[in-house]
Amino acid sequence: SAVISQKPSRDICQRGTSLTIQCQVDSQVTMMFWYRQQPGQSLTLIATANQGSEATYESGFVIDKFPISRPNLTFSTLTVSNMSPEDSSIYLCSVEQRSTEAFFGQGTRLTVV
Amino acid sequence: QKEVEQNSGPLSVPEGAIASLNCTYSDRGSQSFFWYRQYSGKSPELIMFIYSNGDKEDGRFTAQLNKASQYVSLLIRDSQPSDSATYLCAVKANAGKSTFGDGTTLTVKP
Repeated sequence: SAVISQKPSRDICQRGTSLTIQCQVDSQVTMMFWYRQQPGQSLTLIATANQGSEATYESGFVIDKFPISRPNLTFSTLTVSNMSPEDSSIYLCSVEQRSTEAFFGQGTRLTVV
Repeated sequence: QKEVEQNSGPLSVPEGAIASLNCTYSDRGSQSFFWYRQYSGKSPELIMFIYSNGDKEDGRFTAQLNKASQYVSLLIRDSQPSDSATYLCAVKANAGKSTFGDGTTLTVKP
């Protein structure tokens, strides 16, 4: 299984600022995803991070708000821009190997005040 | 209708009992089916996957798949308090994103 290092693990941010979350994998993976999980709820896919090209965003999520980079097959970043309290959530990086099961990073617990 | 629906919880069973978790999906093209366990404050971890109709057993866990009925379930035998968690059902059509259900919270009472 892939070992995923996600950081920061948590942060408290002022509204109007931006936070960049990093996801580092110990091996090359085909697919990388970014999810949001609000308290007591399931996972909502934000976007698929594509290596060398623009991310593919799900309905309700836009690049200006959640810019994503994926410069290579082992690393990706998600930025939460111009934050508001509604962005308070857990953000999860996920990778898939062999087009099957997903593995998750430890998550980033974001609180916007 | 949600793409992946799980039986509403919370589900409570006594220690040693069988816990049954159910999931239905709407996309008939789905090929891969997964069960994840998520402890409070932690990220999801894969516990079972199944691709073919029938049963798949792994220790105390059994996944059951019925593609004709678009139904997948997870049975946990001899439930332990350490099994108390939220269980997420996930479905994939092909290579690419998984679609998750809302999860069922299981409590195993000593």
